[in-house]
Amino acid sequence: EVQLVESGGGLVQPGGSLRLSCAASGFTFSDHWMNWVRQAPGKGPVWVSHIFGDGRTTNYADSVKGRFTISRDNAKNMLYLQMNSLRVEDTGVYYCVRDTRGPDFWGQGALVTVSS
Amino acid sequence: DVVMTQSPLSLPVTLGQPASMSCRSSQSLVHSDGNTYLNWYQQRPGQSPRRLIYNVSNRDSGVPDRFSGSGSGTDFTLKISEVEAEDVGVYYCMQTTHLPPLTFGQGTRLEIK
Repeated sequence: EVQLVESGGGLVQPGGSLRLSCAASGFTFSDHWMNWVRQAPGKGPVWVSHIFGDGRTTNYADSVKGRFTISRDNAKNMLYLQMNSLRVEDTGVYYCVRDTRGPDFWGQGALVTVSS
Repeated sequence: DVVMTQSPLSLPVTLGQPASMSCRSSQSLVHSDGNTYLNWYQQRPGQSPRRLIYNVSNRDSGVPDRFSGSGSGTDFTLKISEVEAEDVGVYYCMQTTHLPPLTFGQGTRLEIK
């Protein structure tokens, strides 16, 4: 059974940092691109970043470029998102999403709240 | 960036009746490899999104056959042949032909009349 379990969310002040983690199981992790997608309260999903299976290629949405860093550890079946210089508009549920012909399987999400 | 526009934003449907929703892209979604990377997702209240359809018309495993996708180029449609109560939620289209970024539509909210 495919499972993606996010952790590391919480309340942080503007300008602060958080690191999200995603534990993957039930599939060959290194074979898949992985994505982070976020969803602000009451809004639609917005793609944040993705990383190729070997970890060598990454891409980011313009809104997070230079502030967020995606990474993975294929030996541990883990995906990460380091978020620095957080802004109020970064608030939302962050989903770890496997990619198979596009994003297919979504985790349950981790809530990130940026507020003073 | 490719802009995805969905309509209608709200879709009230009677149980057992068909439903249809539209997704249009600001440019053709035909990739240089000949495929069209247009997906449909369902998000039930309080749940994570779930992919229903990939590459315009291919149903994901476990998706009921009352869901079907069609279209080409810039115009795409998701149809539900006979709406059931469990189909209530928001439906999103998303393209991965022109990336980055991957882009989503704003969603169509399906509700029961």
